[in-house]
Formats: sequence, structure tokens, C-alpha cells
Amino acid sequence: KQEVTQIPAALSVPEGENLVLNCSFTDSAIYNLQWFRQDPGKGLTSLLLIQSSQREQTSGRLNASLDKSSGRSTLYIAASQPGDSATYLCAVRTYNNNDMRFGAGTRLTVKP
Amino acid sequence: EPEVTQTPSHQVTQMGQEVILRCVPISNHLYFYWYRQILGQKVEFLVSFYNNEISEKSEIFDDQFSVERPDGSNFTLKIRSTKLEDSAMYFCASTLEDGGGTEAFFGQGTRLTVV
Repeated sequence: KQEVTQIPAALSVPEGENLVLNCSFTDSAIYNLQWFRQDPGKGLTSLLLIQSSQREQTSGRLNASLDKSSGRSTLYIAASQPGDSATYLCAVRTYNNNDMRFGAGTRLTVKP
Repeated sequence: EPEVTQTPSHQVTQMGQEVILRCVPISNHLYFYWYRQILGQKVEFLVSFYNNEISEKSEIFDDQFSVERPDGSNFTLKIRSTKLEDSAMYFCASTLEDGGGTEAFFGQGTRLTVV
């Protein structure tokens, strides 16, 4: 059964710092991995989708990488801003399953 | 930009009552999902729906739950007799197709409070 883990659970950084969020998964037979942002009490906003054949995806200040063989993905946020404060979730879709398995998230606080 | 919409945003119901949560997926999407997130816990899969039938469901999705696509646009989740432990945020999602290249889009959620 696919298990998804995110480290750290919480992270606090000063504005302007570059940071890395980590996601690991136990079953490497994945279709794709998706990173989401969740603001308190709100829905899930899709940030980046990485297909299993891809190594990385970029959107603005965000860069996500995928190492399927080691079961890891990272989300790199450059030049962090207070507006980046949110919980970041990763989710994987595994072969032969029609569902996504989520990590518990990393709660990011960017201090002005 | 197309989006998944959910109504209501917040529903309070008494234990034992039936509730229906509503979702309008993105119009050309073919696969629909319900997930839930109990406060402080992970987002959990409930059910997936394709071609007017359930394609997969989790162990959470027992006989108290049902889903329906009553018309060409709505997708509903019904909880027949709510329990206190059903209190959670319920998310609807949709995808254009199945497989690796497809991005899942989520709605803003319905916060269900059972009292």
C-alpha cells in the first residue's frame, strides 16, 4: 500500500530565503506526483504535476523534481514571500489505482 | 479558468440526518472523485466515478455513502445517516482522463459539521 511522507511537518523561514520541501513515497510504480497548496480552511490549489517519465517541472518561483527510483520528490521555492505561507501537500497516483495518496503536508510560514 | 465548484461551503447537520454535498466538475472532465479531510489529518480518498458508475472506493465509503451524477453537470455525495465522525472537509475533484498526464483539480470544499 502506497504511503506518502512529508518532511518537515512545519517550517518557518524569513522572507527572501530559498527553501526545499520533501516528499517520499514507498511504491515507485506511480503515474504521477502532484504538489498542492492549501490555505487554512480552504481547498487544494494545484501547483505542479510531474508525470512518472519526467524529472522536474517549473512554474514561476516553484520547481519540483521527481526521483521515482528512490521514491522522492522535492518542491523548491525560490525567494520566498509572506504570501507563500500555507500548507503544501504532495500526492501520488499509483498504477492500478484510481485514487491519489496524500502526504500530511508541510506547514510553511514565511516571516516578513 | 475552469474550476470545480462545491456547495454549500459549510453545512451543519444533526446526527442521524441525511446530507447531500454538491459539486460541479470542470465541464469536459470525465473522471470525478470525492475526498475528505478530517481536521488535522491527511486528505483521504473516498470514491471515484466514471461513465456513470463507481470505479473505485475506499474502505471509508461504506453503505452510508452514495454518489450520483443526476444530470450532465452535477456530481453529488450523499451521507444517509450522519455520525459525529463524519465531520470533515469534503473535497470534490475531477480529471480530464485517467493516467499519468492528467492533472487533478479540486474544489474549495464543503465543511460538514455533525452535531
